[in-house]
Amino acid sequence: RKEVEQDPGPFNVPEGATVAFNCTYSNSASQSFFWYRQDCRKEPKLLMSVYSSGNEDGRFTAQLNRASQYISLLIRDSKLSDSATYLCVVRTSGTYKYIFGTGTRLKVLA
Amino acid sequence: EAGVVQSPRYKIIEKKQPVAFWCNPISGHNTLYWYLQNLGQGPELLIRYENEEAVDDSQLPKDRFSAERLKGVDSTLKIQPAELGDSAVYLCASSQGRGGDEQFFGPGTRLTVL
Repeated sequence: RKEVEQDPGPFNVPEGATVAFNCTYSNSASQSFFWYRQDCRKEPKLLMSVYSSGNEDGRFTAQLNRASQYISLLIRDSKLSDSATYLCVVRTSGTYKYIFGTGTRLKVLA
Repeated sequence: EAGVVQSPRYKIIEKKQPVAFWCNPISGHNTLYWYLQNLGQGPELLIRYENEEAVDDSQLPKDRFSAERLKGVDSTLKIQPAELGDSAVYLCASSQGRGGDEQFFGPGTRLTVL
């Protein structure tokens, strides 16, 4: 079993839709959580960190469920420019190693 | 502020040839990472440096891969000899602290081994 698992998609959604991605992690000692965005043939860039209480940044909401060991990303009012791959990233307590999921592809359709 | 710089951006070589990639992290960033990314996969860590010390190289295939970060600034990743399966994107990233900090990625080097 992979340490960080994501549904690879693609998720094809119309503009304006709400879409949610989940990511599960296997190591209960995981401490820090992030969502990165990667455009086609570009480098990953931090979208947002994920905090225990959940956090929001504009149309994006991230949540953490430690009991079930998953994090989620919700995108409201999808834009064409949201089309990208969303990478879930987890860091384990006591290490400074970041484990990336395979990414979930999102395509927002006009 | 300049981002993470990598060169070359693209490299095509024949198998068994050597190849080297160079990375210059963001100024002041002590931690430097080399990742390998295959198509449809997330980045996988090859090696992590804190200043000039390689603190995690457990995923680096040491029979053919080597890396160095002299003076704790820029870094070079080498493959010798390259194999067909090494075709991938090699990403360099840096961060200011040791953990919980944002990683800034360079544009990557796309390697094709023929």
